[in-house]
Amino acid sequence: GAVVSQHPSWVICKSGTSVKIECRSLDFQATTMFWYRQFPKQSLMLMATSNEGSKATYEQGVEKDKFLINHASLTLSTLTVTSAHPEDSSFYICSARPIPGEETQYFGPGTRLLVL
Amino acid sequence: QKEVEQNSGPLSVPEGAIASLNCTYSDRGSQSFFWYRQYSGKSPELIMSIYSNGDKEDGRFTAQLNKASQYVSLLIRDSQPSDSATYLCALGDYGNNRLAFGKGNQVVVIP
Repeated sequence: GAVVSQHPSWVICKSGTSVKIECRSLDFQATTMFWYRQFPKQSLMLMATSNEGSKATYEQGVEKDKFLINHASLTLSTLTVTSAHPEDSSFYICSARPIPGEETQYFGPGTRLLVL
Repeated sequence: QKEVEQNSGPLSVPEGAIASLNCTYSDRGSQSFFWYRQYSGKSPELIMSIYSNGDKEDGRFTAQLNKASQYVSLLIRDSQPSDSATYLCALGDYGNNRLAFGKGNQVVVIP
């Protein structure tokens, strides 16, 4: 149980284009999902908390207009990197929390983004 | 923000030995603790959660929690080369609706 999928697993795009990443909880409902970014050999960095049916909560320094998050259902959250630039190239990982009130998070496999 | 410290550098252990990882935290009120394993190039995978003082065993893994001393540890018995990974300590930060992660400890199991 507690399986989280992400799509696509990797994407290469040209600078200036937008990229959408999907995060799905396959066998449970998640009112809260999280989006992280990880650069090579660095720690996980929380970008934003995605709440079903409401606006996402962004961490300090993360541009909400650049990283658009939509959590339209209890099993799907999407992250759109708008007008991507080479510095946005990173490993984007989502996680989902199955049980409200408990902090356990299950991670998706991640999406590797390369912006040329 | 809750502080989670994993100060040890990379840990090299021979195959079959016990790997011991430690994690300390700043908030005495923390209630939930987690160990994640992250292979190079992959996303984190939950290994153990622990909520009460004492030991919790799951296969070759044992988590130990001592709330009075504010540390949580992970023991890996009979270490295997497949255990070579970065291990992340995390605790539940209810007030901020998130997990607080340590920077991780790299474990290398030498055949």
